[in-house]
Amino acid sequence: GDSVTQMEGPVTLSEEAFLTINCTYTATGYPSLFWYVQYPGEGLQLLLKATKADDKGSNKGFEATYRKETTSFHLEKGSVQVSDSAVYFCALTGNQFYFGTGTSLTVIP
Amino acid sequence: NAGVMQNPRHLVRRRGQEARLRCSPMKGHSHVYWYRQLPEEGLKFMVYLQKENIIDESGMPKERFSAEFPKEGPSILRIQQVVRGDSAAYFCASSPQGQGVRNSYEQYFGPGTRLTVT
Repeated sequence: GDSVTQMEGPVTLSEEAFLTINCTYTATGYPSLFWYVQYPGEGLQLLLKATKADDKGSNKGFEATYRKETTSFHLEKGSVQVSDSAVYFCALTGNQFYFGTGTSLTVIP
Repeated sequence: NAGVMQNPRHLVRRRGQEARLRCSPMKGHSHVYWYRQLPEEGLKFMVYLQKENIIDESGMPKERFSAEFPKEGPSILRIQQVVRGDSAAYFCASSPQGQGVRNSYEQYFGPGTRLTVT
């Protein structure tokens, strides 16, 4: 069945470091791919999405490219800030919305 | 334009009591999803509803849990005879269209209800 495998955390980075959170997927058909972010005590918010192969989603300095050949949708940011500390979820649409287990990111000053 | 509303935000119940969690979707959205998030775990799909219909309840425990989305009013997730293992954050999400392959509609999440069973 459809599924998402996400890099395990927690991840701790210094401010201005480069961030990569890996996400790979298994799916039949042509799913859309998403990254959601959850700040402490809040619900999930959509960060970015891509709907077809080679699409790049981007928002707030974060980027992810839909790679069909490697079935991946890795999240990247060139220079993280303390305010980026949160839990990040990769997800895909199939007959349901499938979420990864989440990766906790802490950015220290 | 109000987002997805959930109430209560925090709910404390003793073992054996009933918990009722409410979700009002975004205006214009007729598809509602419930998820459970256990400590240190990801989001687990529970149930997908449209107005007056349960579309997919494959993630719902077979006993004690039920969900509805009536023609009028919010969606309700009901947990009967709660146990300590039910303590979790329960999130509701809504979308303007249903999920499916080739569907790019994102889901909009509410702030969650944190259930604590003592």
